[in-house]
Amino acid sequence: DAKTTQPNSMESNEEEPVHLPCNHSTISGTDYIHWYRQLPSQGPEYVIHGLTSNVNNRMASLAIAEDRKSSTLILHRATLRDAAVYYCIPLSQGNLIFGKGTKLSVKP
Amino acid sequence: DAMVIQNPRYQVTQFGKPVTLSCSQTLNHNVMYWYQQKSSQAPKLLFHYYDKDFNNEADTPDNFQSRRPNTSFCFLDIRSPGLGDAAMYLCATSGWRGSPLHFGNGTRLTVT
Repeated sequence: DAKTTQPNSMESNEEEPVHLPCNHSTISGTDYIHWYRQLPSQGPEYVIHGLTSNVNNRMASLAIAEDRKSSTLILHRATLRDAAVYYCIPLSQGNLIFGKGTKLSVKP
Repeated sequence: DAMVIQNPRYQVTQFGKPVTLSCSQTLNHNVMYWYQQKSSQAPKLLFHYYDKDFNNEADTPDNFQSRRPNTSFCFLDIRSPGLGDAAMYLCATSGWRGSPLHFGNGTRLTVT
């Protein structure tokens, strides 16, 4: 399984954009980059995933480096409800293996 | 809404007393997973079913067993819970390996 490196924690102000980085330098060519988040007292929640091209959905955007060794999850306007632990996970046919993730705090 | 449902939300059991946690899904997904999450840690995969095929993670203790009687239901059996088994247990499903997972909200197990 590819190793990932994420900051332990990040802070953001409400209604400002947030860029959550992830390094995955050992990613294989077939691994998609998945992002999940876990709000307090809830199960993890799928956010977005991509292979090479940047991806957008209603929750977030995913920017993937050209060499695929890193990616950035972008929350365009953080809300208090976005405070959670965010996990970046390379995944192809294997199983979802969680790293430590980034704990995002959002200040009003 | 299609979803993954875990019951109960909270479970208390005594040291050494067998306990079963349940998970049901209305998504008709092929794959079902069980994760253990201890306080302030990331979820840790215990095992998964791909249809009826059971796949155990190498470091999952023998104390943990699972059953999947049909597509919709999956059970986690802890034969002799120890204090170290107190954790949140998360069930998840996916349509196929590599597709996004849908998680339930977990069962928090307390061992007294």
